[in-house]
Amino acid sequence: DAGITQSPRHKVTETGTPVTLRCHQTENHRYMYWYRQDPGHGLRLIHYSYGVKDTDKGEVSDGYSVSRSKTEDFLLTLESATSSQTSVYFCAISEPGVSSYEQYFGPGTRLTVT
Amino acid sequence: GESVGLHLPTLSVQEGDNSIINCAYSNSASDYFIWYKQESGKGPQFIIDIRSNMDKRQGQRVTVLLNKTVKHLSLQIAATQPGDSAVYFCAENMANGRGSTLGRLYFGRGTQLTVWP
Repeated sequence: DAGITQSPRHKVTETGTPVTLRCHQTENHRYMYWYRQDPGHGLRLIHYSYGVKDTDKGEVSDGYSVSRSKTEDFLLTLESATSSQTSVYFCAISEPGVSSYEQYFGPGTRLTVT
Repeated sequence: GESVGLHLPTLSVQEGDNSIINCAYSNSASDYFIWYKQESGKGPQFIIDIRSNMDKRQGQRVTVLLNKTVKHLSLQIAATQPGDSAVYFCAENMANGRGSTLGRLYFGRGTQLTVWP
Protein backbone atom coordinates (compact mmCIF):
# COMPACT_ATOMS: atom_id res chain seq x y z
CA ASP A 1 0.00 0.00 0.00
CA ALA A 2 1.11 3.53 -0.75
CA GLY A 3 2.36 5.35 2.32
CA ILE A 4 -0.55 7.68 2.95
CA THR A 5 -1.93 8.47 6.37
CA GLN A 6 -4.78 10.74 7.35
CA SER A 7 -5.42 12.28 10.74
CA PRO A 8 -7.66 12.28 12.55
CA ARG A 9 -9.55 9.22 11.33
CA HIS A 10 -12.75 10.31 13.05
CA LYS A 11 -13.86 13.68 14.31
CA VAL A 12 -17.04 15.17 15.70
CA THR A 13 -17.21 18.94 15.86
CA GLU A 14 -19.77 21.68 16.34
CA THR A 15 -21.08 24.05 13.73
CA GLY A 16 -18.94 27.17 13.45
CA THR A 17 -15.71 25.66 14.72
CA PRO A 18 -12.54 25.45 12.63
CA VAL A 19 -11.32 22.01 11.64
CA THR A 20 -8.05 20.92 10.02
CA LEU A 21 -7.49 17.53 8.46
CA ARG A 22 -4.01 16.31 7.68
CA CYS A 23 -2.72 14.10 4.90
CA HIS A 24 0.81 12.77 5.10
CA GLN A 25 2.64 10.80 2.40
CA THR A 26 5.99 9.05 2.31
CA GLU A 27 6.03 8.48 -1.47
CA ASN A 28 7.41 11.87 -2.53
CA HIS A 29 4.59 12.25 -5.09
CA ARG A 30 4.12 15.73 -6.54
CA TYR A 31 0.34 15.75 -6.68
CA MET A 32 -1.99 15.59 -3.73
CA TYR A 33 -5.78 15.80 -3.65
CA TRP A 34 -8.61 16.18 -1.20
CA TYR A 35 -11.97 14.58 -2.01
CA ARG A 36 -15.21 14.29 -0.15
CA GLN A 37 -17.48 11.30 -0.50
CA ASP A 38 -21.21 11.47 0.10
CA PRO A 39 -23.93 8.94 -0.67
CA GLY A 40 -25.11 9.30 -4.26
CA HIS A 41 -22.27 11.60 -5.26
CA GLY A 42 -19.22 9.40 -5.50
CA LEU A 43 -15.93 11.22 -4.98
CA ARG A 44 -15.83 14.96 -5.55
CA LEU A 45 -12.63 16.96 -5.72
CA ILE A 46 -12.27 19.78 -3.19
CA HIS A 47 -8.74 21.07 -3.79
CA TYR A 48 -5.54 19.71 -5.20
CA SER A 49 -1.85 20.54 -5.16
CA TYR A 50 0.72 20.08 -7.88
CA GLY A 51 3.71 21.08 -5.78
CA VAL A 52 4.78 22.83 -2.61
CA LYS A 53 2.71 26.01 -2.25
CA ASP A 54 0.98 25.27 -5.57
CA THR A 55 -2.71 24.57 -5.09
CA ASP A 56 -5.93 24.95 -7.05
CA LYS A 57 -9.65 24.56 -6.57
CA GLY A 58 -11.67 21.53 -7.43
CA GLU A 59 -15.39 21.28 -8.10
CA VAL A 60 -16.61 21.71 -4.48
CA SER A 61 -14.09 24.11 -2.94
CA ASP A 62 -16.45 26.60 -1.24
CA GLY A 63 -15.90 26.63 2.53
CA TYR A 64 -12.55 24.87 2.32
CA SER A 65 -8.94 26.01 2.14
CA VAL A 66 -5.72 24.06 1.78
CA SER A 67 -2.03 24.48 2.39
CA ARG A 68 1.05 22.59 1.34
CA SER A 69 4.28 23.81 2.90
CA LYS A 70 6.11 20.49 2.49
CA THR A 71 5.98 17.81 -0.18
CA GLU A 72 4.73 15.23 2.30
CA ASP A 73 1.91 17.17 3.96
CA PHE A 74 -1.36 18.53 2.57
CA LEU A 75 -3.75 20.19 5.00
CA LEU A 76 -7.46 20.75 4.49
CA THR A 77 -9.11 23.42 6.65
CA LEU A 78 -12.77 24.09 7.24
CA GLU A 79 -12.67 27.66 8.55
CA SER A 80 -16.16 27.46 10.05
CA ALA A 81 -17.65 24.00 9.84
CA THR A 82 -21.26 23.56 8.71
CA SER A 83 -23.53 20.53 8.84
CA SER A 84 -23.33 20.24 5.04
CA GLN A 85 -19.63 19.44 5.47
CA THR A 86 -20.41 16.24 7.31
CA SER A 87 -18.78 13.69 5.04
CA VAL A 88 -15.96 11.23 4.58
CA TYR A 89 -12.81 12.96 3.36
CA PHE A 90 -10.16 11.16 1.34
CA CYS A 91 -6.70 12.28 0.50
CA ALA A 92 -5.00 10.95 -2.63
CA ILE A 93 -1.57 11.24 -4.18
CA SER A 94 -0.24 10.72 -7.68
CA GLU A 95 2.76 11.11 -9.87
CA PRO A 96 1.14 11.49 -13.32
CA GLY A 97 3.14 9.93 -16.08
CA VAL A 98 2.88 9.25 -19.76
CA SER A 99 0.81 6.11 -19.29
CA SER A 100 -1.00 6.50 -16.02
CA TYR A 101 -2.87 8.98 -13.90
CA GLU A 102 -3.45 6.51 -11.10
CA GLN A 103 -4.18 8.06 -7.75
CA TYR A 104 -3.47 6.31 -4.45
CA PHE A 105 -5.96 6.93 -1.69
CA GLY A 106 -5.61 7.23 2.05
CA PRO A 107 -7.92 5.48 4.55
CA GLY A 108 -10.27 8.44 4.94
CA THR A 109 -11.45 10.74 7.73
CA ARG A 110 -15.05 10.61 8.87
CA LEU A 111 -16.13 14.11 9.91
CA THR A 112 -19.43 14.82 11.64
CA VAL A 113 -20.53 18.41 12.17
CA THR A 114 -23.33 18.72 14.75
CA GLY B 1 -22.79 17.93 -14.22
CA GLU B 2 -21.00 14.60 -14.11
CA SER B 3 -19.90 13.19 -17.38
CA VAL B 4 -19.08 9.84 -15.83
CA GLY B 5 -22.05 7.74 -14.80
CA LEU B 6 -23.22 4.21 -14.29
CA HIS B 7 -26.11 2.31 -15.80
CA LEU B 8 -26.95 0.40 -12.60
CA PRO B 9 -26.38 1.45 -9.01
CA THR B 10 -26.43 -2.16 -7.71
CA LEU B 11 -25.47 -5.55 -9.09
CA SER B 12 -25.96 -8.93 -7.45
CA VAL B 13 -24.25 -12.05 -8.77
CA GLN B 14 -23.72 -15.58 -7.60
CA GLU B 15 -20.27 -16.74 -6.63
CA GLY B 16 -18.45 -18.13 -9.64
CA ASP B 17 -20.44 -16.15 -12.20
CA ASN B 18 -18.94 -13.39 -14.29
CA SER B 19 -19.79 -9.77 -13.41
CA ILE B 20 -20.08 -6.85 -15.79
CA ILE B 21 -20.15 -3.29 -14.44
CA ASN B 22 -20.92 -0.54 -16.92
CA CYS B 23 -19.98 3.10 -17.11
CA ALA B 24 -20.97 5.83 -19.57
CA TYR B 25 -19.06 8.99 -20.25
CA SER B 26 -19.96 12.02 -22.32
CA ASN B 27 -16.67 13.82 -22.90
CA SER B 28 -15.00 12.71 -26.09
CA ALA B 29 -11.80 14.49 -24.97
CA SER B 30 -11.26 11.96 -22.19
CA ASP B 31 -8.04 10.12 -22.87
CA TYR B 32 -7.66 7.87 -19.86
CA PHE B 33 -10.03 5.77 -17.78
CA ILE B 34 -9.58 3.93 -14.52
CA TRP B 35 -11.55 1.56 -12.31
CA TYR B 36 -11.40 1.56 -8.54
CA LYS B 37 -12.75 -0.85 -5.93
CA GLN B 38 -13.85 0.45 -2.56
CA GLU B 39 -14.55 -1.88 0.32
CA SER B 40 -16.63 -0.71 3.25
CA GLY B 41 -14.71 1.66 5.51
CA LYS B 42 -11.67 1.85 3.23
CA GLY B 43 -10.27 4.12 0.57
CA PRO B 44 -10.61 3.28 -3.12
CA GLN B 45 -8.08 0.84 -4.55
CA PHE B 46 -6.84 0.73 -8.12
CA ILE B 47 -8.06 -2.18 -10.24
CA ILE B 48 -7.16 -1.47 -13.83
CA ASP B 49 -6.80 1.42 -16.26
CA ILE B 50 -6.95 1.96 -20.01
CA ARG B 51 -5.94 4.72 -22.38
CA SER B 52 -8.19 5.95 -25.15
CA ASN B 53 -5.94 4.47 -27.84
CA MET B 54 -6.87 0.99 -26.61
CA ASP B 55 -10.12 -1.01 -26.79
CA LYS B 56 -9.36 -3.70 -24.25
CA ARG B 57 -7.01 -4.39 -21.42
CA GLN B 58 -6.77 -7.44 -19.22
CA GLY B 59 -5.57 -7.94 -15.70
CA GLN B 60 -5.86 -10.74 -13.22
CA ARG B 61 -9.51 -11.88 -13.48
CA VAL B 62 -10.52 -8.43 -14.72
CA THR B 63 -10.95 -6.98 -18.18
CA VAL B 64 -11.77 -3.40 -19.11
CA LEU B 65 -13.45 -2.69 -22.45
CA LEU B 66 -13.63 0.76 -23.99
CA ASN B 67 -16.07 1.63 -26.76
CA LYS B 68 -15.31 5.16 -27.87
CA THR B 69 -18.05 5.15 -30.48
CA VAL B 70 -20.77 5.05 -27.84
CA LYS B 71 -18.63 6.44 -25.01
CA HIS B 72 -18.99 3.33 -22.91
CA LEU B 73 -16.64 1.63 -20.47
CA SER B 74 -17.12 -1.72 -18.80
CA LEU B 75 -15.37 -3.78 -16.16
CA GLN B 76 -15.66 -7.54 -16.39
CA ILE B 77 -14.79 -9.69 -13.40
CA ALA B 78 -14.35 -13.39 -14.09
CA ALA B 79 -15.38 -16.05 -11.58
CA THR B 80 -16.65 -13.51 -9.08
CA GLN B 81 -15.77 -14.24 -5.48
CA PRO B 82 -17.26 -13.03 -2.18
CA GLY B 83 -14.17 -10.86 -1.72
CA ASP B 84 -15.17 -8.93 -4.83
CA SER B 85 -18.17 -7.49 -3.00
CA ALA B 86 -17.55 -3.74 -2.93
CA VAL B 87 -18.44 -0.48 -4.63
CA TYR B 88 -16.82 -0.04 -8.02
CA PHE B 89 -16.08 3.39 -9.46
CA CYS B 90 -15.04 4.40 -12.91
CA ALA B 91 -13.16 7.65 -13.44
CA GLU B 92 -11.92 9.58 -16.42
CA ASN B 93 -9.11 12.00 -17.04
CA MET B 94 -9.97 14.78 -19.45
CA ALA B 95 -7.37 16.65 -21.44
CA ASN B 96 -7.88 20.40 -21.17
CA GLY B 97 -6.96 21.19 -24.75
CA ARG B 98 -3.56 22.53 -23.76
CA GLY B 99 -2.05 19.11 -23.28
CA SER B 100 -2.28 19.24 -19.51
CA THR B 101 -4.76 17.68 -17.12
CA LEU B 102 -2.82 17.98 -13.87
CA GLY B 103 -3.79 14.37 -13.25
CA ARG B 104 -7.36 15.18 -12.34
CA LEU B 105 -9.85 12.35 -12.29
CA TYR B 106 -13.62 12.69 -12.54
CA PHE B 107 -15.49 9.93 -10.74
CA GLY B 108 -18.83 8.31 -11.36
CA ARG B 109 -21.23 7.60 -8.52
CA GLY B 110 -20.33 3.94 -8.19
CA THR B 111 -21.98 0.51 -8.45
CA GLN B 112 -22.47 -1.72 -5.43
CA LEU B 113 -21.52 -5.31 -6.32
CA THR B 114 -22.85 -8.01 -4.02
CA VAL B 115 -21.70 -11.60 -4.44
CA TRP B 116 -23.95 -14.34 -3.08
CA PRO B 117 -22.59 -17.78 -2.10
